[in-house]
Amino acid sequence: SYELTQPPSVPVSPGQTASITCFGQRLGEKYISWYQQKPGQSPMLVIYDDNKRPSGIPERFSGSNSGNTATLTISGTQAMDEADYFCQAWDSNTAVFGGGTKLTVL
Amino acid sequence: QIHLVQSGAELRRPGASVKVSCKASGHPLSNSGISWVRQAPGQGLEWMGWISAYNGNTNYVQKFQDRVTMTTDTSTNTAYMELRSLRSDDTAVYYCARAYCGGNCYSVSSINYFDPWGQGTLVTVSS
Repeated sequence: SYELTQPPSVPVSPGQTASITCFGQRLGEKYISWYQQKPGQSPMLVIYDDNKRPSGIPERFSGSNSGNTATLTISGTQAMDEADYFCQAWDSNTAVFGGGTKLTVL
Repeated sequence: QIHLVQSGAELRRPGASVKVSCKASGHPLSNSGISWVRQAPGQGLEWMGWISAYNGNTNYVQKFQDRVTMTTDTSTNTAYMELRSLRSDDTAVYYCARAYCGGNCYSVSSINYFDPWGQGTLVTVSS
């Protein structure tokens, strides 16, 4: 079955840029979505179709996807961005989620 | 702006069934779909499958194929997920999420993304 691999944790200092990667075979040929989940809350869509932001998502969130790696980039990271982030792609009509990355704002 | 509200927490014995509801407000579900995603304690997200509120088509992940049924009631704008033969490892928070398609949700391949999500329903399976 298809797998998406994310680093378990990514530390970042406030105001710096955080990059969260998601690896999968030929991932660049698929569309990626990213979901943010804060403790005790439901997941929330922050990026879809590799690099599109839903309304209400700050411009500091951006995405890219090429080759085998997709990246969620958060520019000027704020304390409120501390959360778990999950990438998601489709394979054989099945939604596959990465294992999640805990973004820690130091 | 669609909003999803799920039913409350459930406690079940092993071997029992549970049915979780997901009521949409603010927008009809009729041209969308509903996906169900679960999250075991401290774990990641696991997609269980989806149902099109447009035409009733379903896709279930193979591991749940024999135990899950997803339905919708467009008259009440509500989706349901029933999971049978519960085991202790089914203990999780179950989320519904609107499956957005660019047009009508004909099939699972129409889905663009999941948004918004319900608040989650904790299902605990314990003897």
